[in-house]
Amino acid sequence: DTEVTQTPKHLVMGMTNKKSLKCEQHMGHRAMYWYKQKAKKPPELMFVYSYEKLSINESVPSRFSPECPNSSLLNLHLHALQPEDSALYLCASSPYPPTSGSFYEQYFGPGTRLTVT
Amino acid sequence: KNQVEQSPQSLIILEGKNCTLQCNYTVSPFSNLRWYKQDTGRGPVSLTIMTFSENTKSNGRYTATLDADTKQSSLHITASQLSDSASYICVVSARVGTASKLTFGTGTRLQVTL
Repeated sequence: DTEVTQTPKHLVMGMTNKKSLKCEQHMGHRAMYWYKQKAKKPPELMFVYSYEKLSINESVPSRFSPECPNSSLLNLHLHALQPEDSALYLCASSPYPPTSGSFYEQYFGPGTRLTVT
Repeated sequence: KNQVEQSPQSLIILEGKNCTLQCNYTVSPFSNLRWYKQDTGRGPVSLTIMTFSENTKSNGRYTATLDADTKQSSLHITASQLSDSASYICVVSARVGTASKLTFGTGTRLQVTL
């Protein structure tokens, strides 16, 4: 299994809703990432988990809450989002964390298209 | 400030033609450079990864070049196909201590037409 899966593919939520995005990989990768991508823009790094611990938080608002239940799963909990949070949310994984200094490849999932109304 | 600039922003070519996409970077200290293909609404897929010592690397009809002296890279697509229509993103990795940090370019949107 050499892919990263994300669910749901599409999500529409109101500003008062609570929802979660899910990401899964079974490649034995020890680092997982959340990115946010607006239309026609490059992905922006949000969080990095290394060996199931949060290692990088790129000053993301607290209405986004990541969780790594185990080495294969990564969640992103959403609460009280704003319309400007509408974007494609990408999950990625890599064999090694970015702090290893090693040459590593990131594998991206297909993304969740989030619309906040 | 680390930056990655790509050109052109968008490109339309006829099926079967060749094209070259450019990437200029100011990332330092350089670790490696990657080219990704991203279909609309999908996650990026890696095409090539190049280190400092590599000048050229091919992946099927895709050939990437790297000039670490001028800090430029190009992605050449040969005999384009309709399925090549996508955004192509150049990503440069910097070595910061024992960490690696990626800087993404804004991408080139390629459309291949009949």
